[in-house]
Amino acid sequence: GQNIDQPTEMTATEGAIVQINCTYQTSGFNGLFWYQQHAGEAPTFLSYNVLDGLEEKGRFSSFLSRSKGYSYLLLKELQMKDSASYLCAVRDGASKIIFGSGTRLSIRP
Amino acid sequence: NAGVMQNPRHLVRRRGQEARLRCSPMKGHSHVYWYRQLPEEGLKFMVYLQKENIIDESGMPKERFSAEFPKEGPSILRIQQVVRGDSAAYFCASSSGTGTDTQYFGPGTRLTVL
Repeated sequence: GQNIDQPTEMTATEGAIVQINCTYQTSGFNGLFWYQQHAGEAPTFLSYNVLDGLEEKGRFSSFLSRSKGYSYLLLKELQMKDSASYLCAVRDGASKIIFGSGTRLSIRP
Repeated sequence: NAGVMQNPRHLVRRRGQEARLRCSPMKGHSHVYWYRQLPEEGLKFMVYLQKENIIDESGMPKERFSAEFPKEGPSILRIQQVVRGDSAAYFCASSSGTGTDTQYFGPGTRLTVL
């Protein structure tokens, strides 16, 4: 079957670092995506991993271990505007993407 | 370069009416995907289309729902005889079909069924 697990909610402090974990089980694997979604808005693309390792993009980094079915999104120097839901998604096969339920991240001053 | 466009942004229908949701992909993109999102939940895949072809409709309910992506014009998601349970945000995404084939999302249509 297909299953993507990530924590429902997390809280972190402005200026700190937070790591959002994602584990997945899919019949096929053809890349993992992270999206950010603010309440009432569309998801926006953050990162893409298809090979094992760390991809860094500014304050955001994403890590993938295919053998473990595991990824994390690392957010550094947190800002209040980073309060949002973070969606882990796996491409299963040619193009179909399966989304996790999302992690709602709250940033406190 | 305009992003993915969806209209209307908000749609109110009474039970039994039809809802038509439109999506124009990003320029240069020929792949379109529709997702449904209930409040406080994740995105659920519905259907994947290319021009004039339905590639994967495994997430589409068997009845009342249909989708098309004609040679000319936007992709349409059509819901016939809407029920209250159809109330949700419907997002369209598009991709180029090449490289990382990243999907980029439109602003969504929020459907409310009274």
